[in-house]
Amino acid sequence: GNSVTQMEGPVTLSEEAFLTINCTYTATGYPSLFWYVQYPGEGLQLLLKATKADDKGSNKGFEATYRKETTSFHLEKGSVQVSDSAVYFCALGLGGYQKVTFGTGTKLQVIP
Amino acid sequence: KAGVTQTPRYLIKTRGQQVTLSCSPISGHRSVSWYQQTPGQGLQFLFEYFSETQRNKGNFPGRFSGRQFSNSRSEMNVSTLELGDSALYLCASSLVSGTGTNEQFFGPGTRLTVL
Repeated sequence: GNSVTQMEGPVTLSEEAFLTINCTYTATGYPSLFWYVQYPGEGLQLLLKATKADDKGSNKGFEATYRKETTSFHLEKGSVQVSDSAVYFCALGLGGYQKVTFGTGTKLQVIP
Repeated sequence: KAGVTQTPRYLIKTRGQQVTLSCSPISGHRSVSWYQQTPGQGLQFLFEYFSETQRNKGNFPGRFSGRQFSNSRSEMNVSTLELGDSALYLCASSLVSGTGTNEQFFGPGTRLTVL
């Protein structure tokens, strides 16, 4: 079946540090890949997505590149801010259906 | 545009009871998916409805069921509640195009506690 594995948290970084959250996937076929974010007290929302190999999704300074050869979709940001503190979920979807498989989530805490 | 709304926001039930949760999608969105979120299992897909038909179902027992109405609003029902059903239940709506999985817009969730 389909699955998503992401690095366990929590991750604690100082402001302006570089962020990487690893995500790898297993899927039959060619999935679309997503990063969703859940800020404290808010609902889950899409951060970025990529729909085919070598695509790079980007938003709010975050980036992730769809790597088919390594089945990975790592999330990166060059300089994190306190406001980036949240739980980040890697996810995949297949076909025209809206059944999305989520990773377990990585909690990020950025300290001033 | 109004976001996805879920009612009620909080529920407390006892074992053996049944519960119905409601979700109103974003206007124009015809796909509604339901997820269960728990600290131990994370986010798990329950089912997806599109045009009043269930298109996908996750690995949950038959006690979990749902339906969608002609206005795309959806309900999910859990019968014979168990302690392990305590969770945050999230509803998500999306547009549906021919290929690919689209962005899902999530509601705030219904927090169900089973005593």
